[in-house]
Amino acid sequence: GNSVTQMEGPVTLSEEAFLTINCTYTATGYPSLFWYVQYPGEGLQLLLKATKADDKGSNKGFEATYRKETTSFHLEKGSVQVSDSAVYFCALQLNSGGYQKVTFGTGTKLQVIP
Amino acid sequence: EAQVTQNPRYLITVTGKKLTVTCSQNMNHEYMSWYRQDPGLGLRQIYYSMNVEVTDKGDVPEGYKVSRKEKRNFPLILESPSPNQTSLYFCASSTYRVSLNTEAFFGQGTRLTVV
Repeated sequence: GNSVTQMEGPVTLSEEAFLTINCTYTATGYPSLFWYVQYPGEGLQLLLKATKADDKGSNKGFEATYRKETTSFHLEKGSVQVSDSAVYFCALQLNSGGYQKVTFGTGTKLQVIP
Repeated sequence: EAQVTQNPRYLITVTGKKLTVTCSQNMNHEYMSWYRQDPGLGLRQIYYSMNVEVTDKGDVPEGYKVSRKEKRNFPLILESPSPNQTSLYFCASSTYRVSLNTEAFFGQGTRLTVV
């Protein structure tokens, strides 16, 4: 079956530090890949996505590149801010019986301290 | 504004007392689903619906029911809640047309405690 593996958190960084959150996947077929972010007390919202190999998704200073050869979609940001503190979910989306089924990772909590 | 609205946001109930969590979306999406979020387990799909009157089980359907009588609404029903259903619940909607590769839109969550 399909699965997504994320690095375990929590990740604690100082403001302006470099961030990497690892994500690898297993899928039958060619999935689209997503990063969702969940701020405290809120639902998930899309952060960025990539729909095919070598695509780079980017938003709000975050980037992730779809690497088919390593089945990875690592999230990076060059300089984190306190406002980036949240839980980050990696997800894959595949056509399954005519609809797009989403499989989520377990989430990685990021805490940025001033 | 495009949104998915869940109610209530917080609920404490007793074992065995039937409850319903409502979900409504205003984007005319065909596809809606329910997830539960538990520490260390991420999001697990409970039920989903591909359109009106079309529903199916997700990965963890036991103890839950759903209905889809209207396109915009997708309530989650717990006929006889138990403490192991204490969790954070999210409703999500999206268009399921494969070519669009669009993301899911999530509600703000319902934190349910069953005592």
